[in-house]
Amino acid sequence: SQTIHQWPATLVQPVGSPLSLECTVEGTSNPNLYWYRQAAGRGLQLLFYSVGIGQISSEVPQNLSASRPQDRQFILSSKKLLLSDSGFYLCAWGAYSNQPQHFGDGTRLSIL
Amino acid sequence: GESVGLHLPTLSVQEGDNSIINCAYSNSASDYFIWYKQESGKGPQFIIDIRSNMDKRQGQRVTVLLNKTVKHLSLQIAATQPGDSAVYFCAENIGSGGGADGLTFGKGTHLIIQP
Repeated sequence: SQTIHQWPATLVQPVGSPLSLECTVEGTSNPNLYWYRQAAGRGLQLLFYSVGIGQISSEVPQNLSASRPQDRQFILSSKKLLLSDSGFYLCAWGAYSNQPQHFGDGTRLSIL
Repeated sequence: GESVGLHLPTLSVQEGDNSIINCAYSNSASDYFIWYKQESGKGPQFIIDIRSNMDKRQGQRVTVLLNKTVKHLSLQIAATQPGDSAVYFCAENIGSGGGADGLTFGKGTHLIIQP
C-alpha cells in the first residue's frame, strides 16, 4: 500500500531563517506531488505541484520554492522566512488528475 | 491567536442522527469532486468522490449528491458517531484531460457530534 511521510511535524523558526520541509511517498511510482498551505480555520491553498523529477509548477507567487530531486521526494524550501509564511503545510500525492489526492499529516510551521 | 474553526461554518448534530454538509462550487467546468475529513492536527483524509457524469454515489454510511444545475455538492453521513466530529472539505478538479492540477478546496464545515 502507498504511504506518504512528512517531517518535521512541528517547526518553530525565526524570521529570516531558511526552511526545508521534506515529503516522501512509498509504494507508488511517478506520482503527481503537491504542496498545500492551510491557514488556521481555512481551506487548503495549492502552492506547487510536480508531475515528474525536476518538474515544478507554481500556483502562487511567494517566498517559497519547491524541488523534486527524486521520483518520490518533494521538498519545500525558503531562503528567508517571513512572518506570513506561518501555517500548516501539507504534502499530497495523486496518481491521476481525476483520482483522489492523499495527504500527509502536515508540518505546523510557526515563525517568530 | 486564531483558533481553528472560528471562521468555519459549524454543524452540530446529535449522535445517531443523520447529517448533511453542503458545498457550492463555482467552476462549471469542474468534472471531479471529492469530500475530505480533517481531524485536528492531521492531514485531510479521503472520504468519497464523484465524477460529473453521476448524480449520486454511496459509500459506507456516506452519500455524495451532485447537482450540476445549481453547482451544489452535499455529503450525507448516516447515523453519526463521535468519531465523525471533524472539519469536512469539498474539493473540485477541472480535470483538463490528463493534467495534474491540484484541487480547489472549499472553506470547510466543522461537524460536531453531540452525545
